[in-house]
Amino acid sequence: EAGVAQSPRYKIIEKRQSVAFWCNPISGHATLYWYQQILGQGPKLLIQFQNNGVVDDSQLPKDRFSAERLKGVDSTLKIQPAKLEDSAVYLCASSLVGGAADEQFFGPGTRLTVL
Amino acid sequence: QKEVEQNSGPLSVPEGAIASLNCTYSDRGSQSFFWYRQYSGKSPELIMFIYSNGDKEDGRFTAQLNKASQYVSLLIRDSQPSDSATYLCAVNMEYGNKLVFGAGTILRVKS
Repeated sequence: EAGVAQSPRYKIIEKRQSVAFWCNPISGHATLYWYQQILGQGPKLLIQFQNNGVVDDSQLPKDRFSAERLKGVDSTLKIQPAKLEDSAVYLCASSLVGGAADEQFFGPGTRLTVL
Repeated sequence: QKEVEQNSGPLSVPEGAIASLNCTYSDRGSQSFFWYRQYSGKSPELIMFIYSNGDKEDGRFTAQLNKASQYVSLLIRDSQPSDSATYLCAVNMEYGNKLVFGAGTILRVKS
């Protein structure tokens, strides 16, 4: 079974530029998550999708971050414009149904450096 | 008060010893608790989950949960150098039904 795929793996941009990340979850998984992990911290949930609907985006900085999950499968996360403090690893995860007991499977992440 | 708190470490133990990792959480209504392992530069992977008070054992790993004290721990028996990693405690918060991670504890197993 293929795992969660993410691209690109690494990205370096200048502040105020825009960037987009892509995620393909495990086949059949209804729930998709985007996390931000700053060095030395645990992952922080940015947005959670159930199929193609948003369940939770309370910690998504909506003035600069946006995300979509078209057709309930792949997802993209965009940052525009980027700030220095956005430097982090962006992790995509998926789970079968999104219940409280569901295991979340993580992709390899995208390491973003904002200069 | 942080929602999920862990001692950042590093926790250093000799090979073959028991490593004890601790976690406290703020939401008394939380029902499910997870331990993830994260190697440097890699993504988190699930080690164990626990829902009921008491102990749950899986090989060399034992998770312990005390909901009254809002405390969950992970014991690693016969620690190996390959266990050296950051261990993340994650709690599914009753409000919002979302997973909140602690900052992680760095474990170093010395051979």
